[in-house]
Amino acid sequence: SQQGEEDPQALSIQEGENATMNCSYKTSINNLQWYRQNSGRGLVHLILIRSNEREKHSGRLRVTLDTSKKSSSLLITASRAADTASYFCATGVITQGGSEKLVFGKGTKLTVNP
Amino acid sequence: KAGVTQTPRYLIKTRGQQVTLSCSPISGHRSVSWYQQTPGQGLQFLFEYFSETQRNKGNFPGRFSGRQFSNSRSEMNVSTLELGDSALYLCASSQNPLTNYNEQFFGPGTRLTVL
Repeated sequence: SQQGEEDPQALSIQEGENATMNCSYKTSINNLQWYRQNSGRGLVHLILIRSNEREKHSGRLRVTLDTSKKSSSLLITASRAADTASYFCATGVITQGGSEKLVFGKGTKLTVNP
Repeated sequence: KAGVTQTPRYLIKTRGQQVTLSCSPISGHRSVSWYQQTPGQGLQFLFEYFSETQRNKGNFPGRFSGRQFSNSRSEMNVSTLELGDSALYLCASSQNPLTNYNEQFFGPGTRLTVL
């Protein structure tokens, strides 16, 4: 079952604009990660934010985490056509065996128009 | 370092057949996880192997199984294929699943079509 729910499901913007995607989850997490997937290919890890962190930056990416609201957001600034992809949040959850597994949301499909 | 590789990339099978997919993790990575991705259900966790042992299992029927070899390479097997098994199967590797920094590196996936 899905843990994370991304919002919106689809987003279409013009090149140069900022894109914001949100993710909500239900249970306690160890960390939250964002991945990108280009049309039917493998996922690329973008950024990981630990449960005790509130904000993290990587290049044009900014991720926030609010554990009290069980939500996270991914901001892509100055978007480019090459950012067109699906973006997934994944929550790292500690299992009974003590290891961590990732539970993915259904993703936000971002289209950046040139 | 070479990335995660998966073979084959594309596969067409018929209902009732069985299939084996292979995954070679990044050198030095001991954890391999498998995911199924479909348009309807999204990305769903199948299982995870670490040091040849299955550590975690998702909510899939027993027709889905896997194993890991001593060199960390992993295979997953689906027996008695059903139409609903058509999906992109993704493999991911990570260094150490026992820490709280479990960045996973994904392979390109195997696209399985069941006719």
